[in-house]
Amino acid sequence: QQQVKQSPQSLIVQKGGISIINCAYENTAFDYFPWYQQFPGKGPALLIAIRPDVSEKKEGRFTISFNKSAKQFSLHIMDSQPGDSATYFCAAVSAGNMLTFGGGTRLMVKP
Amino acid sequence: EAQVTQNPRYLITVTGKKLTVTCSQNMNHEYMSWYRQDPGLGLRQIYYSMNVEVTDKGDVPEGYKVSRKEKRNFPLILESPSPNQTSLYFCASSSLGRGLGDTQYFGPGTRLTVL
Repeated sequence: QQQVKQSPQSLIVQKGGISIINCAYENTAFDYFPWYQQFPGKGPALLIAIRPDVSEKKEGRFTISFNKSAKQFSLHIMDSQPGDSATYFCAAVSAGNMLTFGGGTRLMVKP
Repeated sequence: EAQVTQNPRYLITVTGKKLTVTCSQNMNHEYMSWYRQDPGLGLRQIYYSMNVEVTDKGDVPEGYKVSRKEKRNFPLILESPSPNQTSLYFCASSSLGRGLGDTQYFGPGTRLTVL
């Protein structure tokens, strides 16, 4: 049973478009929500993260939106570029720094 | 350079032949963890360690062992590997100094195939 559900599994976006990846969680003990970016042959790397006391966090072209009541959060990539093509994982952190990952979204940005 | 290293990067073995995947970090991190990555399932935590001699089970610990005798090393041991342990394995580490949410740094991964 996955505690963090991620959708879609794959996404194709044209260059310059907006990529949107959604995640939902069940465990209310989660209180930190990072997003990881993974390129082929590499380990995941932290992209952006949010705590549930804010509804939105923006870093450059990447924005996390957080809806605590719905237990949902999403990643928006504005002006998507071919270099953004990667697999994206949402995650949720509980006590002891334990990460629970979503299933991943493979993003392809077409030139 | 701050990094997490894993060895080997690729391993093909046979059922039942004990193996160890090493993990080492040079950032003096307290927290270390092992994950396996399978298509459609994301990364699932196998074991984690909050400090030397302190280890605990993650979500999928069956068939794995770990040890934390030194702060920098956290080897993953498969005593009797089976084909369902064929996967991509990642080691990660982070500081616990600031409490929840410290960035976890991941190693480059070990692709294991058990025949």
